[in-house]
Amino acid sequence: EVQLVESGGGLVQPGGSLRLSCAASGFTFSSYWMSWVRQAPGKGLEWVANIKQDGSEKYYVDSVKGRFTISRDNAKNSLYLQMNSLRAEDTAVYYCARGRQDRFDYWGQGTLVTVSS
Amino acid sequence: SYVLTQPPSVSVAPGQTARITCGGNNIGSKSVHWYQQKPGQAPVLVVYDDSDRPSGIPERFSGSNSGNTATLTISRVEAGDEADYYCQVWDSSSGTGVFGTGTKVTVL
Repeated sequence: EVQLVESGGGLVQPGGSLRLSCAASGFTFSSYWMSWVRQAPGKGLEWVANIKQDGSEKYYVDSVKGRFTISRDNAKNSLYLQMNSLRAEDTAVYYCARGRQDRFDYWGQGTLVTVSS
Repeated sequence: SYVLTQPPSVSVAPGQTARITCGGNNIGSKSVHWYQQKPGQAPVLVVYDDSDRPSGIPERFSGSNSGNTATLTISRVEAGDEADYYCQVWDSSSGTGVFGTGTKVTVL
């Protein structure tokens, strides 16, 4: 059974940093593109970033470029999102998702990030 | 940036057909994927590559895509289909994923 379990969310002050993790199991992690998608409270879905199977390609939404870094460790079956210079508008549930570059076929349950003073 | 527009809400009686549109410039040239999200839950892929269904998704869910509009059709609607639905594409020109604005389906 495919499982994606996010962790690392919490309350952080504006300008602070947070590192999200996603532990994957039930499939060959190194064979899939992986993505982060977020959802602000009461709002729609927003794609954040994705990373190719071997980490050689990474893409980001404009609003996080230069602040967020996606990475993966295939030996640990884990996906990460390093978030720096956090802003109030980054407040959201962050989902880890498996798929191709262009779609997401399995999602984790999400971890809540709240940016507030 | 590429924009996908969906109606905010669609209401349908049980047993009837719900159609959810997703408008985008020349969206017919892209692969469109659809997700269902129930309250408090993670999204679930219900249609991919315009009209294919993942295993476990009922045949009642179908999709089409042409010109400037993609459509998700839910036939013989059930109470359990009440959810938010999002279309999604990959915009290769900008190298970004794009979600539609989302449609809340209400079963009357």
